[in-house]
Amino acid sequence: EDQVTQSPEALRLQEGESSSLNCSYTVSGLRGLFWYRQDPGKGPEFLFTLYSAGEEKEKERLKATLTKKESFLHITAPKPEDSATYLCAVQGGSNYKLTFGKGTLLTVNP
Amino acid sequence: NAGVTQTPKFQVLKTGQSMTLQCAQDMNHEYMSWYRQDPGMGLRLIHYSVGAGITDQGEVPNGYNVSRSTTEDFPLRLLSAAPSQTSVYFCASSYPTGIEEQYFGPGTRLTVT
Repeated sequence: EDQVTQSPEALRLQEGESSSLNCSYTVSGLRGLFWYRQDPGKGPEFLFTLYSAGEEKEKERLKATLTKKESFLHITAPKPEDSATYLCAVQGGSNYKLTFGKGTLLTVNP
Repeated sequence: NAGVTQTPKFQVLKTGQSMTLQCAQDMNHEYMSWYRQDPGMGLRLIHYSVGAGITDQGEVPNGYNVSRSTTEDFPLRLLSAAPSQTSVYFCASSYPTGIEEQYFGPGTRLTVT
């Protein structure tokens, strides 16, 4: 059974204070690891897909990296508008199912 | 494109009532799915479909039915609502090329009393 564990559950940063969110996973045959952003009262919004260990992707202040056991979402010089819940999900095996972690609630104070 | 739309946005049901949550997408996506999101539980897959006429169960299918008669629509039916089905429900769609990001709808907040 695929499993995804995200840490920390909540993270509070000051504006400009860089940090990282962790996503540890176990999956049989990783086909893709996904990062999503979810704002309160809205559906998740896709950020990145990572396919293999060593891969990195960037978007504005966000950078996602992948190893064989975990993924990190690095946030550089965050702004208050980066405040959201960040979700990690994996797709494994030969199906289309995604297994999600419980998310990290990020709060960036001005 | 409207993307993925869901109706209603909010719904209150009494135990034992039935209802259908509507989901539609205009991106010609073959893959559609339903998730529920509960505090402390994350998103859990209820049912999914890889094309019209094809559906399969996810992680938590009990108490829910689906059908897929068209590419655009994927309704979720609650036959006899229970308080345990109080949750926020999200519909999602994507291209079924194996590994594709899913596009999520805005969600339906359901309360069963």
